[in-house]
Amino acid sequence: QLQLQESGPGLVKPSETLSLTCTVSGDSFSSRAYYWGWIRQPPGKGLEWIGSFYYTGSSYYNPSLKDRVTLSGDTSKNQISLTVTSVTAADTAVYYCARRDHGKYFFDSWGQGTLVTVSS
Amino acid sequence: DIQMTQSPSSVSASVGDRVTITCRASQGISNRLAWYQHKPGKAPKLLVYGASTLQSGVPSRFSGSGSGTDFTLTINSLQPEDFATYFCQEASSFPSFGGGTRVEIK
Repeated sequence: QLQLQESGPGLVKPSETLSLTCTVSGDSFSSRAYYWGWIRQPPGKGLEWIGSFYYTGSSYYNPSLKDRVTLSGDTSKNQISLTVTSVTAADTAVYYCARRDHGKYFFDSWGQGTLVTVSS
Repeated sequence: DIQMTQSPSSVSASVGDRVTITCRASQGISNRLAWYQHKPGKAPKLLVYGASTLQSGVPSRFSGSGSGTDFTLTINSLQPEDFATYFCQEASSFPSFGGGTRVEIK
């Protein structure tokens, strides 16, 4: 059974870099069948898609975040990583990773999410 | 960008009630709409895709309908485990989510 587990620091200082990892178990992130996405939800707000990553290394990003966001993958660890640079309080959110079937638009499996707070 | 507007933002209901949630797209999206259920501290769960196709394992009291710009998620005979937040999602250009509807106990 597929499980996605987000991990990383819960507190990041303003202007620094936020780095999170999504560990995939029960499947291989290098499967040709899937994209792996990151989505976030700021406190009291709706969900915002951050970007999606394919095992070949190709990524695409939310235009509003693309200048600060990088997605990457580690086949040996079966992990997808998210990096957000120059963070501000507006980046405070619960961050989720999720799987999307290649060729489809919806996410069929999600992690439980991890809260990241940006504060000095 | 396509904006997704969900209503209501919250609804109070009792066990056994029928609950209807609406999602409106700012432009036509055919039937490319999904619905999710989210409980605090848990992973969001896919309920419906293609506007009306139930994901495997989802109880039949959930149903989705609509096409173009207006969509609904209906929960018939609300059960205790259905109290949660529900949100819609489309992805004509990139994934975009509705603001969510919290279904609360009356």
